[in-house]
Amino acid sequence: GQNIDQPTEMTATEGAIVQINCTYQTSGFNGLFWYQQHAGEAPTFLSYNVLDGLEEKGRFSSFLSRSKGYSYLLLKELQMKDSASYLCAVDTGTASKLTFGTGTRLQVTL
Amino acid sequence: NAGVMQNPRHLVRRRGQEARLRCSPMKGHSHVYWYRQLPEEGLKFMVYLQKENIIDESGMPKERFSAEFPKEGPSILRIQQVVRGDSAAYFCASSPTDSSGNTIYFGEGSWLTVV
Repeated sequence: GQNIDQPTEMTATEGAIVQINCTYQTSGFNGLFWYQQHAGEAPTFLSYNVLDGLEEKGRFSSFLSRSKGYSYLLLKELQMKDSASYLCAVDTGTASKLTFGTGTRLQVTL
Repeated sequence: NAGVMQNPRHLVRRRGQEARLRCSPMKGHSHVYWYRQLPEEGLKFMVYLQKENIIDESGMPKERFSAEFPKEGPSILRIQQVVRGDSAAYFCASSPTDSSGNTIYFGEGSWLTVV
């Protein structure tokens, strides 16, 4: 079976740094995606990791360790607009079908 | 370049009626995916289609649900005899090919409410 775990909720302060973790156990692995989803809206692509290491893109970075089945999304200089759900998804290798975690709801406070 | 277009955005149906959700993929994308998101749950894969072909429908309920992607026109997700439990957000996504690592782009979603 496929199993992807993320914390349900997190709270952080504006201007701070937050790390959202994701662990996975899947039958196959062809890469890991992070999406951002605001309430009532579509998931929007943030990052893709297929090799171990850190990928940096502006205020957002994503890390992958395939041997540990672990990824994290790092958000720096948090802004109020970053309040959203962050979805971890694994491409299990079957025609780009993604398996999603339940998402982490991030609340950014003043 | 328009993104993935879905309609209707919101749909209300009474129990027993049919719901039809449409999806036009991004220009140049020939692969379409449907996902369902129940309240407070993650996105769940339903079906993967290419033009005129269903490639993987392992996530589709066995009854009442069907999907198509005809040669001309949008992909359609059809739910017959809807029940309250079908109330959810249905997201369509598309990608240019099925090669590993291709980013999948999501539409705005169709919110189905069954009353």
